[in-house]
Amino acid sequence: ILNVEQSPQSLHVQEGDSTNFTCSFPSSNFYALHWYRWETAKSPEALFVMTLNGDEKKKGRISATLNTKEGYSYLYIKGSQPEDSATYLCASSRYSGGGADGLTFGKGTHLIIQP
Amino acid sequence: DSGVTQTPKHLITATGQRVTLRCSPRSGDLSVYWYQQSLDQGLQFLIQYYNGEERAKGNILERFSAQQFPDLHSELNLSSLELGDSALYFCASSVGTDQPQHFGDGTRLSIL
Repeated sequence: ILNVEQSPQSLHVQEGDSTNFTCSFPSSNFYALHWYRWETAKSPEALFVMTLNGDEKKKGRISATLNTKEGYSYLYIKGSQPEDSATYLCASSRYSGGGADGLTFGKGTHLIIQP
Repeated sequence: DSGVTQTPKHLITATGQRVTLRCSPRSGDLSVYWYQQSLDQGLQFLIQYYNGEERAKGNILERFSAQQFPDLHSELNLSSLELGDSALYFCASSVGTDQPQHFGDGTRLSIL
Protein backbone atom coordinates (compact mmCIF):
# COMPACT_ATOMS: atom_id res chain seq x y z
CA ILE A 1 0.00 0.00 0.00
CA LEU A 2 1.11 3.56 -0.61
CA ASN A 3 -1.14 5.31 1.87
CA VAL A 4 -1.57 4.94 5.60
CA GLU A 5 -4.89 3.29 6.36
CA GLN A 6 -6.59 2.98 9.71
CA SER A 7 -9.45 0.77 10.75
CA PRO A 8 -12.06 0.95 11.95
CA GLN A 9 -13.01 4.52 11.07
CA SER A 10 -15.02 4.80 14.29
CA LEU A 11 -15.58 2.66 17.32
CA HIS A 12 -18.01 2.73 20.25
CA VAL A 13 -16.78 0.92 23.35
CA GLN A 14 -18.32 0.43 26.77
CA GLU A 15 -16.45 1.93 29.70
CA GLY A 16 -14.19 -0.71 31.22
CA ASP A 17 -13.86 -2.76 28.03
CA SER A 18 -10.57 -3.15 26.20
CA THR A 19 -10.21 -2.34 22.54
CA ASN A 20 -7.69 -2.19 19.72
CA PHE A 21 -7.39 -0.74 16.25
CA THR A 22 -5.12 -1.10 13.27
CA CYS A 23 -2.80 1.01 11.18
CA SER A 24 -1.44 -0.24 7.84
CA PHE A 25 1.46 1.54 6.20
CA PRO A 26 3.95 1.07 3.36
CA SER A 27 6.58 -1.45 4.50
CA SER A 28 9.18 -0.53 1.87
CA ASN A 29 11.84 1.97 2.96
CA PHE A 30 10.18 2.19 6.36
CA TYR A 31 11.64 4.79 8.75
CA ALA A 32 9.24 5.39 11.67
CA LEU A 33 5.66 4.89 12.84
CA HIS A 34 3.96 7.50 15.03
CA TRP A 35 0.73 7.33 17.05
CA TYR A 36 -1.07 10.50 18.14
CA ARG A 37 -4.16 11.15 20.22
CA TRP A 38 -6.37 14.03 19.08
CA GLU A 39 -9.15 15.35 21.28
CA THR A 40 -11.81 17.66 19.91
CA ALA A 41 -10.78 21.35 19.97
CA LYS A 42 -7.21 20.46 20.92
CA SER A 43 -4.07 19.68 18.94
CA PRO A 44 -2.65 16.18 18.35
CA GLU A 45 -0.66 14.78 21.26
CA ALA A 46 2.15 12.28 20.71
CA LEU A 47 1.68 8.79 22.16
CA PHE A 48 4.45 6.68 20.65
CA VAL A 49 7.16 6.64 18.01
CA MET A 50 8.43 3.22 16.95
CA THR A 51 11.20 2.41 14.52
CA LEU A 52 12.19 -1.25 14.95
CA ASN A 53 10.31 -4.34 13.83
CA GLY A 54 8.79 -5.99 16.87
CA ASP A 55 8.84 -2.77 18.93
CA GLU A 56 6.27 -2.62 21.70
CA LYS A 57 5.62 0.57 23.63
CA LYS A 58 3.38 1.21 26.63
CA LYS A 59 2.04 4.32 28.35
CA GLY A 60 -0.33 3.58 31.20
CA ARG A 61 -3.29 1.64 29.79
CA ILE A 62 -2.30 2.26 26.18
CA SER A 63 0.19 0.13 24.28
CA ALA A 64 1.27 -0.32 20.67
CA THR A 65 3.06 -2.92 18.58
CA LEU A 66 4.88 -2.67 15.27
CA ASN A 67 5.43 -5.08 12.39
CA THR A 68 7.55 -3.36 9.75
CA LYS A 69 7.88 -6.42 7.51
CA GLU A 70 4.15 -6.65 6.85
CA GLY A 71 3.44 -2.97 7.42
CA TYR A 72 1.02 -2.81 10.34
CA SER A 73 0.77 -1.49 13.87
CA TYR A 74 -1.85 -2.13 16.54
CA LEU A 75 -2.89 0.27 19.30
CA TYR A 76 -4.44 -1.29 22.39
CA ILE A 77 -6.40 0.42 25.15
CA LYS A 78 -7.04 -1.62 28.29
CA GLY A 79 -10.01 -0.84 30.53
CA SER A 80 -11.33 2.10 28.47
CA GLN A 81 -12.28 5.27 30.36
CA PRO A 82 -14.42 8.20 29.14
CA GLU A 83 -11.29 10.36 28.92
CA ASP A 84 -9.94 7.97 26.26
CA SER A 85 -12.57 9.30 23.84
CA ALA A 86 -10.59 10.90 21.02
CA THR A 87 -9.39 10.35 17.47
CA TYR A 88 -6.28 8.19 17.30
CA LEU A 89 -3.99 8.96 14.37
CA CYS A 90 -1.12 6.93 13.05
CA ALA A 91 1.49 8.23 10.64
CA SER A 92 4.49 6.71 8.93
CA SER A 93 7.62 8.07 7.35
CA ARG A 94 9.99 6.49 4.85
CA TYR A 95 13.67 6.81 4.04
CA SER A 96 14.26 9.38 1.33
CA GLY A 97 17.52 10.90 0.10
CA GLY A 98 19.55 9.91 3.15
CA GLY A 99 16.96 10.99 5.66
CA ALA A 100 13.27 10.64 6.37
CA ASP A 101 10.47 12.14 4.33
CA GLY A 102 7.52 13.79 6.00
CA LEU A 103 4.85 11.92 7.92
CA THR A 104 1.91 10.47 6.01
CA PHE A 105 -1.09 10.41 8.31
CA GLY A 106 -4.04 8.06 8.25
CA LYS A 107 -7.53 9.48 8.65
CA GLY A 108 -7.77 8.21 12.21
CA THR A 109 -9.95 5.97 14.34
CA HIS A 110 -12.61 7.95 16.20
CA LEU A 111 -13.09 6.27 19.58
CA ILE A 112 -16.12 6.95 21.75
CA ILE A 113 -16.26 5.46 25.24
CA GLN A 114 -19.82 5.02 26.49
CA PRO A 115 -20.35 5.18 30.27
CA ASP B 1 0.67 22.99 26.62
CA SER B 2 2.94 21.56 23.89
CA GLY B 3 5.34 24.51 23.99
CA VAL B 4 4.73 25.24 20.29
CA THR B 5 3.19 28.66 19.64
CA GLN B 6 1.29 29.52 16.49
CA THR B 7 -0.03 32.94 15.54
CA PRO B 8 -2.55 34.09 14.63
CA LYS B 9 -5.21 31.65 15.86
CA HIS B 10 -7.70 32.79 13.25
CA LEU B 11 -7.28 34.58 9.94
CA ILE B 12 -10.01 35.70 7.58
CA THR B 13 -9.07 37.09 4.22
CA ALA B 14 -10.18 37.23 0.59
CA THR B 15 -9.22 35.34 -2.54
CA GLY B 16 -6.06 36.57 -4.22
CA GLN B 17 -4.53 37.82 -0.97
CA ARG B 18 -1.32 36.76 0.76
CA VAL B 19 -0.93 35.75 4.41
CA THR B 20 1.90 34.73 6.71
CA LEU B 21 1.50 32.16 9.48
CA ARG B 22 4.05 32.10 12.26
CA CYS B 23 5.34 29.28 14.44
CA SER B 24 7.70 29.26 17.42
CA PRO B 25 8.94 25.74 18.14
CA ARG B 26 9.36 24.13 21.52
CA SER B 27 12.59 25.14 23.24
CA GLY B 28 15.40 22.89 22.07
CA ASP B 29 13.60 21.53 19.00
CA LEU B 30 15.47 22.08 15.75
CA SER B 31 12.89 20.60 13.37
CA VAL B 32 9.72 22.42 12.36
CA TYR B 33 6.94 20.86 10.30
CA TRP B 34 3.91 22.42 8.62
CA TYR B 35 0.64 20.54 8.03
CA GLN B 36 -2.67 21.39 6.41
CA GLN B 37 -6.00 19.94 7.46
CA SER B 38 -8.90 20.60 5.10
CA LEU B 39 -12.49 19.41 5.45
CA ASP B 40 -12.72 15.64 4.83
CA GLN B 41 -8.94 15.39 4.58
CA GLY B 42 -6.49 14.04 7.10
CA LEU B 43 -3.41 15.93 8.14
CA GLN B 44 -1.35 16.64 5.00
CA PHE B 45 2.38 17.21 5.38
CA LEU B 46 3.56 20.35 3.65
CA ILE B 47 7.22 20.95 4.50
CA GLN B 48 9.92 20.37 7.13
CA TYR B 49 12.83 22.56 8.16
CA TYR B 50 15.78 21.49 10.30
CA ASN B 51 18.01 24.14 11.83
CA GLY B 52 17.22 26.63 9.10
CA GLU B 53 17.41 24.32 6.10
CA GLU B 54 14.62 22.66 4.15
CA ARG B 55 14.72 18.94 4.96
CA ALA B 56 11.63 17.38 3.39
CA LYS B 57 8.83 18.52 1.14
CA GLY B 58 5.31 17.17 0.80
CA ASN B 59 2.52 18.20 -1.53
CA ILE B 60 3.09 21.89 -0.97
CA LEU B 61 1.67 24.14 -3.67
CA GLU B 62 4.00 26.48 -5.55
CA ARG B 63 1.92 29.39 -4.17
CA PHE B 64 3.04 28.38 -0.68
CA SER B 65 6.52 28.87 0.73
CA ALA B 66 8.15 28.60 4.11
CA GLN B 67 11.35 29.43 5.89
CA GLN B 68 13.01 28.88 9.24
CA PHE B 69 14.96 31.74 10.76
CA PRO B 70 18.19 31.69 12.84
CA ASP B 71 16.15 31.86 16.06
CA LEU B 72 14.37 28.70 14.76
CA HIS B 73 10.92 30.24 14.41
CA SER B 74 9.26 29.48 11.11
CA GLU B 75 6.84 31.24 8.78
CA LEU B 76 4.51 29.75 6.19
CA ASN B 77 3.59 32.16 3.41
CA LEU B 78 0.44 31.53 1.39
CA SER B 79 -0.14 33.68 -1.69
CA SER B 80 -2.77 34.11 -4.41
CA LEU B 81 -5.20 32.53 -1.99
CA GLU B 82 -8.08 30.45 -3.30
CA LEU B 83 -11.27 29.29 -1.59
CA GLY B 84 -9.81 25.78 -1.37
CA ASP B 85 -6.96 27.02 0.80
CA SER B 86 -9.38 27.43 3.71
CA ALA B 87 -8.08 24.98 6.28
CA LEU B 88 -6.51 24.49 9.68
CA TYR B 89 -2.75 24.87 9.43
CA PHE B 90 -0.65 23.18 12.10
CA CYS B 91 2.96 23.65 12.98
CA ALA B 92 4.82 20.95 14.89
CA SER B 93 8.35 20.67 16.20
CA SER B 94 10.62 17.86 17.31
CA VAL B 95 14.19 17.17 18.32
CA GLY B 96 14.66 14.77 15.40
CA THR B 97 12.71 12.92 12.72
CA ASP B 98 12.46 9.74 14.79
CA GLN B 99 11.14 11.64 17.79
CA PRO B 100 7.56 12.62 18.70
CA GLN B 101 6.26 15.80 17.12
CA HIS B 102 4.70 18.46 19.34
CA PHE B 103 1.84 20.31 17.71
CA GLY B 104 0.75 23.90 18.12
CA ASP B 105 -2.91 24.85 18.43
CA GLY B 106 -3.14 25.66 14.71
CA THR B 107 -4.14 28.67 12.65
CA ARG B 108 -7.61 28.51 11.14
CA LEU B 109 -7.57 30.25 7.77
CA SER B 110 -10.86 31.23 6.16
CA ILE B 111 -10.93 32.55 2.61
CA LEU B 112 -14.04 34.52 1.69
